[in-house]
Amino acid sequence: DSGVTQTPKHLITATGQRVTLRCSPRSGDLSVYWYQQSLDQGLQFLIQYYNGEERAKGNILERFSAQQFPDLHSELNLSSLELGDSALYFCASSANRGTQYFGPGTRLTVL
Amino acid sequence: AQTVTQSQPEMSVQEAETVTLSCTYDTSESDYYLFWYKQPPSRQMILVIRQEAYKQQNATENRFSVNFQKAAKSFSLKISDSQLGDAAMYFCAYRSYMNYGGSQGNLIFGKGTKLSVKP
Repeated sequence: DSGVTQTPKHLITATGQRVTLRCSPRSGDLSVYWYQQSLDQGLQFLIQYYNGEERAKGNILERFSAQQFPDLHSELNLSSLELGDSALYFCASSANRGTQYFGPGTRLTVL
Repeated sequence: AQTVTQSQPEMSVQEAETVTLSCTYDTSESDYYLFWYKQPPSRQMILVIRQEAYKQQNATENRFSVNFQKAAKSFSLKISDSQLGDAAMYFCAYRSYMNYGGSQGNLIFGKGTKLSVKP
């Protein structure tokens, strides 16, 4: 158990819909990272938050957004979903410059 | 931009034997971290081992060790006394040491090596 939790584990939805993925970091970790794992693109960095502020953006679509709340949990919002958004979405947390520990992931299926 | 390359899509090893997974990377930075993560069929990403580039000594964690060749930009993972539970996808990953520009410490992954362990 990494100490990082993600909900839900599975999500099935239709094209055009909007979903929210939730992540709680390890106790004391201020940084939260979101990654997408798909068959064709591999593991790709989406976005990072540090203590409530956005720190870095990777290959994140404009239809996707995220935020980190005062209690340090983070949410990734995916809207206008397309078939190609089906993937495993990971959240990871770390202390400053530390190792990133991953949550169990949310498997999103868009039908 | 940094890149990570894993040239072996699949590897196979006999139980109790030793196997080495290869990873090369490209960077112009002098300080960075390198990691190996394991992803079993459960899909959980599990840290196997970590190496700081400024450390010359190769990292070791029980049956797992690395051969870090900084000049060659090579970072291979050796698994000794392979066990059935080692069967998984293994990802090599790079992380910058300093926060600058757009790099704020995110991981850059290779495409992975699928390791099978034969009983």
